[in-house]
Amino acid sequence: DAEITQSPRHKITETGRQVTLACHQTWNHNNMFWYRQDLGHGLRLIHYSYGVQDTNKGEVSDGYSVSRSNTEDLPLTLESAASSQTSVYFCASRRAGTGEQFFGPGTRLTVL
Amino acid sequence: SQQGEEDPQALSIQEGENATMNCSYKTSINNLQWYRQNSGRGLVHLILIRSNEREKHSGRLRVTLDTSKKSSSLLITASRAADTASYFCATDGIMMEKTDIRSGNTGKLIFGQGTTLQVKP
Repeated sequence: DAEITQSPRHKITETGRQVTLACHQTWNHNNMFWYRQDLGHGLRLIHYSYGVQDTNKGEVSDGYSVSRSNTEDLPLTLESAASSQTSVYFCASRRAGTGEQFFGPGTRLTVL
Repeated sequence: SQQGEEDPQALSIQEGENATMNCSYKTSINNLQWYRQNSGRGLVHLILIRSNEREKHSGRLRVTLDTSKKSSSLLITASRAADTASYFCATDGIMMEKTDIRSGNTGKLIFGQGTTLQVKP
């Protein structure tokens, strides 16, 4: 069955380190999104992509970057991790022309 | 900036009762969606209502949308213990900026903070 996966599921890192969170979907969806979820803030959009070689900043993009070299993957990179980036990160995808987004299981990131 | 404000923040009911959650938003929308999140899991899409629709049903779910008041409600009828979860509304903006051209909406969902529903058996 088609699905969307995230790895790792849990990650502990130190301040200043570069971290990359993986997102992989097998639906061949053009659109992919990264969100972070924090208590008191709900989910907030970090970056999104409408297709290969297309990336765009979301509401809370500072300190994060993404790249889209193929349809299936949208890795999220924290260039220099900060404690404020401790959060649960969700990747999502959707088929172009629709509204419903399909979410991955999430990655819990702790920055010490 | 948070688009959606949800009310109540927490709701506890008995199995078999109905649960109503409300969502208010600030700007014009293309559509409004409701998602469910079980503890420690990802979000699952429940229902989408377009800006030109007023009511939509899906099984035990009923969603209403009042664009003049910029508000929506989600009703879960005959609740079950398995409905225990957090429920989020999310708005999708209209085509005022870069969009996925085939859909005409941005896909940039703006979420409310959610309602935590507990259904007691």
